[in-house]
Amino acid sequence: AQSVTQLGSHVSVSEGALVLLRCNYSSSVPPYLFWYVQYPNQGLQLLLKYTSAATLVKGINGFEAEFKKSETSFHLTKPSAHMSDAAEYFCAVSEGRRDDKIIFGKGTRLHILP
Amino acid sequence: GAVVSQHPSRVICKSGTSVKIECRSLDFQATTMFWYRQFPKQSLMLMATSNEGSKATYEQGVEKDKFLINHASLTLSTLTVTSAHPEDSSFYICSAAPGLAGDEQYFGPGTRLTVT
Repeated sequence: AQSVTQLGSHVSVSEGALVLLRCNYSSSVPPYLFWYVQYPNQGLQLLLKYTSAATLVKGINGFEAEFKKSETSFHLTKPSAHMSDAAEYFCAVSEGRRDDKIIFGKGTRLHILP
Repeated sequence: GAVVSQHPSRVICKSGTSVKIECRSLDFQATTMFWYRQFPKQSLMLMATSNEGSKATYEQGVEKDKFLINHASLTLSTLTVTSAHPEDSSFYICSAAPGLAGDEQYFGPGTRLTVT
């Protein structure tokens, strides 16, 4: 069975500071990994995805994540936080088939301090 | 890009009534669609996997007679919450996987259901 663990249900950073959201995964097969962002009362927007190609994945809005198999991690980073980054972030895993279900982590609420 | 819509975006119904939520893939065919439920300040929990032309596969603990799923075409799946109760109030999100080989699901904007 697959699972993801997001460390920290709430993370606060100052505007302009580094954003680091942590995600560890568990999978018996090579995983596909995702980061999604959700704004209040809205659906999910895909930030980036890892699909067994380059281990450093660049996404939208300046976010990137690095797949580290030895650490079973897929942490999300952004060099400089912006107020508009305040949202809920979900790490997710699947087996990679197009019709495979996606398993979500519990989410991390990112707060940006002025 | 691939777009998935949901209708309605918000619905309020009385306890004991049924409500139908539609999920449509607007610019691609989706052989598989997924239905998720999200409680306030919580993660998305997969309810069921819907395949066009066949019965849906429900996750453990999800009542299939209460949450009826129909995937009648390659662009439409519906979720009907039957005999709704206040505890069914939640945010329901669908996603769709393209018919072509791919590695991404596309999510709808969600439907907020409130049962009074």
